Amino acid sequence: AQSVTQPDIHITVSEGASLELRCNYSYGATPYLFWYVQSPGQGLQLLLKYFSGDTLVQGIKGFEAEFKRSQSSFNLRKPSVHWSDAAEYFCAANAGGTSYGKLTFGQGTILTVHP
Amino acid sequence: GAVVSQHPSRVICKSGTSVKIECRSLDFQATTMFWYRQFPKKSLMLMATSNEGSKATYEQGVEKDKFLINHASLTLSTLTVTSAHPEDSSFYICSADLAGSYNEQFFGPGTRLTVL
Repeated sequence: AQSVTQPDIHITVSEGASLELRCNYSYGATPYLFWYVQSPGQGLQLLLKYFSGDTLVQGIKGFEAEFKRSQSSFNLRKPSVHWSDAAEYFCAANAGGTSYGKLTFGQGTILTVHP
Repeated sequence: GAVVSQHPSRVICKSGTSVKIECRSLDFQATTMFWYRQFPKKSLMLMATSNEGSKATYEQGVEKDKFLINHASLTLSTLTVTSAHPEDSSFYICSADLAGSYNEQFFGPGTRLTVL
């Protein structure tokens, strides 16, 4: 079955430190990949997406993600975390084709930022 | 641009009553809207795909008679939880597909349903 896994339920970092959130997928073929951020009272906001091409994807708010086919991973990174980055982050995938638009989400990673 | 709203943001109802949740795309037309359910400390689970003017497509295990979805216009989809029970308490989130954005969905802020 198709699935998305985020191994880390909760991550705590200090402000200014670097960040990496892990995401692994299990699909027959490479899916379309997304990272979303969810803040309380806010809808999920798209940080970045990967469809094809360059495996290093730049997103909003200084985030980037790297697609690694050999590891079936799409990890999210940020070189220097800000307190405002504290939120829950979701990795998601879509198989495309007849599954157009149907997102499968990972379990989410809650990010806490210490001052 | 590409804003999706949901109403209400929070609703508490008695067991056995029905609750309607609205999802609107405010500044774009959405051919397709999606409804998700998010359990506490769990991920989002797709419930159904809603296309304007046609019947919704439900995911396996989702009761279509319990969760009625109507997509009457290109900017409005509604989810009605019929004869709600405490186990229906959850966070319901809608999203809308922006034509031409290919596979990018814009999400509403969610509706917290509590059934007493």
